[in-house]
Amino acid sequence: GESVGLHLPTLSVQEGDNSIINCAYSNSASDYFIWYKQESGKGPQFIIDIRSNMDKRQGQRVTVLLNKTVKHLSLQIAATQPGDSAVYFCAENIKGGSYIPTFGRGTSLIVHP
Amino acid sequence: DTAVSQTPKYLVTQMGNDKSIKCEQNLGHDTMYWYKQDSKKFLKIMFSYNNKELIINETVPNRFSPKSPDKAHLNLHINSLELGDSAVYFCASSQEGRRSSAFFGQGTRLTVV
Repeated sequence: GESVGLHLPTLSVQEGDNSIINCAYSNSASDYFIWYKQESGKGPQFIIDIRSNMDKRQGQRVTVLLNKTVKHLSLQIAATQPGDSAVYFCAENIKGGSYIPTFGRGTSLIVHP
Repeated sequence: DTAVSQTPKYLVTQMGNDKSIKCEQNLGHDTMYWYKQDSKKFLKIMFSYNNKELIINETVPNRFSPKSPDKAHLNLHINSLELGDSAVYFCASSQEGRRSSAFFGQGTRLTVV
């Protein structure tokens, strides 16, 4: 997994720009990945998922790319809006008995009007 | 109609006290979880529970214990609270399986003084 630094990674963008949030995952056997959005004062919410037999999946204004070779995920948000400001997490379901959603560090996205 | 609800939303208590946080899900999910989110927004799994097994993160102190009266509830009991227990605690649920995403409650902000 990623090393834990002192600060939450932050991405600042202007409204209307495209945003790209990156994530490295730890388990090469993982075959299902999820992106979550956490707004201030709320719990994480599902945005989009992808299975390991795909390398790209698109939703409404969001696209997830998966590179299994380097164990890397990215979340692309098109035409970023102020309402997209939140902390974004990638997660993988890791087997420990049951499958347990296991989260990466998180990236804070700040959208400036 | 809240899918995953936890109470209380805020909890301020003194060191040494014992407290509980309640969680209920109305999604019919098989598996429930407790996560701890620290000040750097890192989400760490504490427990995973379904009707077959309880999986405990080995780093969680045994002062923390989950209690499940039925499939829809997973409460978190904390004994002898310490300052370092201050954090936001999230309950979540999902269907059992490798390709399930988790639904989260709103979180409980615990402050130990």
